[in-house]
Amino acid sequence: GESVGLHLPTLSVQEGDNSIINCAYSNSASDYFIWYKQESGKGPQFIIDIRSNMDKRQGQRVTVLLNKTVKHLSLQIAATQPGDSAVYFCPLSGGYNKLIFGAGTRLAVHP
Amino acid sequence: EAGVAQSPRYKIIEKRQSVAFWCNPISGHATLYWYQQILGQGPKLLIQFQNNGVVDDSQLPKDRFSAERLKGVDSTLKIQPAKLEDSAVYLCASTDGRSWSYNEQFFGPGTRLTVL
Repeated sequence: GESVGLHLPTLSVQEGDNSIINCAYSNSASDYFIWYKQESGKGPQFIIDIRSNMDKRQGQRVTVLLNKTVKHLSLQIAATQPGDSAVYFCPLSGGYNKLIFGAGTRLAVHP
Repeated sequence: EAGVAQSPRYKIIEKRQSVAFWCNPISGHATLYWYQQILGQGPKLLIQFQNNGVVDDSQLPKDRFSAERLKGVDSTLKIQPAKLEDSAVYLCASTDGRSWSYNEQFFGPGTRLTVL
């Protein structure tokens, strides 16, 4: 069945350090793997996605790595800033335009 | 481009009262979603519309929740009567739905409901 799991509920980092947020998944049939960010008081916001036939994709200060062998997804944020403080989700793509969210990982950035 | 609009932003009611939330999706977006997000949890899909038709309402508690999207544009979600456990943020999202498998969903700011 489908499930999402995140290795850590909370991640604390120092400003300027790199952050790595991990996600395990069980549904191997997904075509896309996606990261969303939710800041306090706001709705989730798309960050980056990766197709299932790729293993790495880079955006601005973010990199997503996909290891389908071990069903592991990670989001790397370079030079973490206070504005990166948020809850990060790796929802499963559950069929026709559906997203299935887990609990998320809270990233706390300390000055 | 204007984002997904939701109102009200906050609502406080007593249990057994009724409440309604409104959502206006991004112009031209055919697919609209309502999610419930309880504090500390991820959003849970309540209902998905494609234009004015329901695609999935399997997790909508139909004894008390209802939703409509009569003209295929804006939508309302109603709770009648409300229970304490309905306290949550209700998020609306939309997507253009051009791809069958996945399209980026754009979320509104949500309505925070407190049931006393």
